[in-house]
Amino acid sequence: ILNVEQSPQSLHVQEGDSTNFTCSFPSSNFYALHWYRWETAKSPEALFVMTLNGDEKKKGRISATLNTKEGYSYLYIKGSQPEDSATYLCAPSTGGFKTIFGAGTRLFVKA
Amino acid sequence: DAGITQSPRHKVTETGTPVTLRCHQTENHRYMYWYRQDPGHGLRLIHYSYGVKDTDKGEVSDGYSVSRSKTEDFLLTLESATSSQTSVYFCAASSADQPQHFGDGTRLSIL
Repeated sequence: ILNVEQSPQSLHVQEGDSTNFTCSFPSSNFYALHWYRWETAKSPEALFVMTLNGDEKKKGRISATLNTKEGYSYLYIKGSQPEDSATYLCAPSTGGFKTIFGAGTRLFVKA
Repeated sequence: DAGITQSPRHKVTETGTPVTLRCHQTENHRYMYWYRQDPGHGLRLIHYSYGVKDTDKGEVSDGYSVSRSKTEDFLLTLESATSSQTSVYFCAASSADQPQHFGDGTRLSIL
């Protein structure tokens, strides 16, 4: 079973601030890493799928990087907006379909 | 999301009673998953399926069983519900190497 750690557990920022979170996972047997965004009272939605060491993905103001050799991924949000408030989950996998989710980083963006 | 329907959406029942949650998908995904969400734990995998009649245990499978007799349906059964199984349950489905698509969740309370 993968040991997935996300930090920080929660984060409070002001509108316009840029922020980043970390997902750490065992580097052995790595296959892919998924990032999800989870808004309160909704279901998780996929942001990125990353597979290669050095991968960088971007979606609007959100971007992510991947280091499979050292076992971590960063998620960045540039110019945070209140609508970015959500829990961000990472989910690495050692196979094609089975993933283990981290506990998430809960982001609060104050207007 | 992506044709994933969970039923019921809410249920209150008593300790010792059997409970079955249903997940139905319309996108012909091969893989299906049941998770539970508890404070401080994020999403924890209960059971997953990699095809019709092919299932396996996840991190927290004790007290739960699953069945998948058709591609579109994945059932989660609590044979004899306990108060520790009070949680929000999410179903998800995916195709190989793709992100998971989640249902809207089932809030289960066991008194």
